[in-house]
Amino acid sequence: QLVLTQSPSASASLGASVKLTCTLSSGHSSYAIAWHQQQPEKGPRYLMKLNSDGSHSKGDGIPDRFSGSSSGAERYLTISSLQSEDEADYYCQTWGTGILVFGGGTKLTVL
Amino acid sequence: EVQLVESGGGLVQPGRSLRLSCAASGFTFDDYAMHWVRQAPGKGLEWVSGISWNSGSIGYADSVKGRFTISRDNAKNSLYLQMNSLRAEDTALYYCAKGDPLFVDYWGQGTLVTVSS
Repeated sequence: QLVLTQSPSASASLGASVKLTCTLSSGHSSYAIAWHQQQPEKGPRYLMKLNSDGSHSKGDGIPDRFSGSSSGAERYLTISSLQSEDEADYYCQTWGTGILVFGGGTKLTVL
Repeated sequence: EVQLVESGGGLVQPGRSLRLSCAASGFTFDDYAMHWVRQAPGKGLEWVSGISWNSGSIGYADSVKGRFTISRDNAKNSLYLQMNSLRAEDTALYYCAKGDPLFVDYWGQGTLVTVSS
């Protein structure tokens, strides 16, 4: 079964960097994913598509501070030079046979 | 600029029906798959349904299969979700989303559906 696993929460200081992880279930380590950001009381926003080789393509207007990387079944979202507006929920998303799958989301707190 | 504007949400009693609409602009609508994704209060994102550019391929989450019907009108740049036999657990913010084709690259702002007696 295709499942995406994310840690429920993460925190980092203003100006620092943070790396969020999305783990693909067994047998699906070659899958690409997408990262989405949802700021408080707002709709989600697409950040990037991330392939298994670490190559990624970002959405319109996404700052260079956001980058992606991959290792095995893990997909990472790194945010550098953290700003207060980066405090948000981050979801990974992939697709199986005829369905889309979302991870449970990681709530990022900027200290 | 891509814009997706949902409408049709509201308060509805259990067992009743509701039809959501999504008006799309800023891209060639009939080139892309479209999806509905929902978010229950305080919860994460849940894919509900998706439809290919020509309506030839349609999928549903198990939680709505047999009750919800997705459709599109490419001439009107519009996406729809017919929701029948609504349950309390269908209460959520419903987002219209553009697919490329199987990952979402644009989101609407959502329309709230509340199922309650």
